[in-house]
Amino acid sequence: DVKVTQSSRYLVKRTGEKVFLECVQDMDHENMFWYRQDPGLGLRLIYFSYDVKMKEKGDIPEGYSVSREKKERFSLILESASTNQTSMYLCASIVGGNTGELFFGEGSRLTVL
Amino acid sequence: AQKVTQAQTEISVVEKEDVTLDCVYETRDTTYYLFWYKQPPSGELVFLIRRNSFDEQNEISGRYSWNFQKSTSSFNFTITASQVVDSAVYFCALSEAGGNTPLVFGKGTRLSVIA
Repeated sequence: DVKVTQSSRYLVKRTGEKVFLECVQDMDHENMFWYRQDPGLGLRLIYFSYDVKMKEKGDIPEGYSVSREKKERFSLILESASTNQTSMYLCASIVGGNTGELFFGEGSRLTVL
Repeated sequence: AQKVTQAQTEISVVEKEDVTLDCVYETRDTTYYLFWYKQPPSGELVFLIRRNSFDEQNEISGRYSWNFQKSTSSFNFTITASQVVDSAVYFCALSEAGGNTPLVFGKGTRLSVIA
């Protein structure tokens, strides 16, 4: 059964903390994505990666960075968390190209106090 | 630039009613793909359907059906005889096949089916 696993379903962090959100997929997919979901705003793309050590900015990259050291793992990093980064974060992957089915993780709900 | 608009933010229906979720898209490409995803309360988005721009044939899968009309740039989703388990947020998305750009999602429509 194909799977995208996000390491934490719920996190509570304090302003200024460094936050790591981990995502692992077991489908040997080339492409991986991080989205942020907020009420009324839908899914907004933060960063994506089409290969190991490769990354591209999405629509809202400010305040975030990513790391892809291995094909199966794509990490989202909040260098200094702020309250406006309280949100649901969704990781997704797809085999090369973007015309097929995206597989999503269950999401990580981050609260920054 | 590509864009997906889901004008309905929230819809509430009584069980067994039919409901249509609207999706309007914008793209300059002649080759593109349209998708619908479902996000149940558990949170994980689930793929429902993919349609390419050269196939305007409507599709039916059980109680679900999709109406793709290039003339109006719409890809609407109808649930017949809705059930409580259909309650979810539904997202329409667009991918342009020419490049390698990520999917663009609409803002979603929250459907509540009341027993």
